[in-house]
Amino acid sequence: KAGVTQTPRYLIKTRGQQVTLSCSPISGHRSVSWYQQTPGQGLQFLFEYFSETQRNKGNFPGRFSGRQFSNSRSEMNVSTLELGDSALYLCASSFDGGKAGYTFGSGTRLTVV
Amino acid sequence: LAKTTQPISMDSYEGQEVNITCSHNNIATNDYITWYQQFPSQGPRFIIQGYKTKVTNEVASLFIPADRKSSTLSLPRVSLSDTAVYYCLVGLNYGGATNKLIFGTGTLLAVQP
Repeated sequence: KAGVTQTPRYLIKTRGQQVTLSCSPISGHRSVSWYQQTPGQGLQFLFEYFSETQRNKGNFPGRFSGRQFSNSRSEMNVSTLELGDSALYLCASSFDGGKAGYTFGSGTRLTVV
Repeated sequence: LAKTTQPISMDSYEGQEVNITCSHNNIATNDYITWYQQFPSQGPRFIIQGYKTKVTNEVASLFIPADRKSSTLSLPRVSLSDTAVYYCLVGLNYGGATNKLIFGTGTLLAVQP
């Protein structure tokens, strides 16, 4: 079966712009989580959605937001981009909140210039 | 959520067995222990998960002592392709309000020929 699909794979934006990243979870998975990975901070949790509701949120500013659609696909948006937002953004999906583990996508590499 | 401590790096040679130990002194009664593997520019990949004693699957074994304050991931006969960062995680709350993965710094395993 298809894995977690993230689009686009690479993205270059300039400071002040906004960006929207997309994640399609594994069919049947209702939980979608987002993570930011940088060399300095490692993997950090952004937020988690379950059945279109944000269930948990990490310690990121309000410029980072997300949503989940009825088909479980999720998007995350970053407004007013800063250089420090350059990172690999990863999406993970699970069926039962992680009991059988989370499946991650390959990520979107965002570069802010 | 329990904090984990792992060695920053480990070296090994092809064909050897590798054991990576993780400390999690304040693990809670309901916490499971999960290990992920990550290659550069890819999302983490679920390896194995356990609660107590020993768990084995087709790629690894997980040993958990009775007090559950540590765990050891065992990779039999590693190959060059096992060179990656390995993360130990504890503290998933299945179906509850806390469904996020807290990643530590991980262990960079370097396998040499």
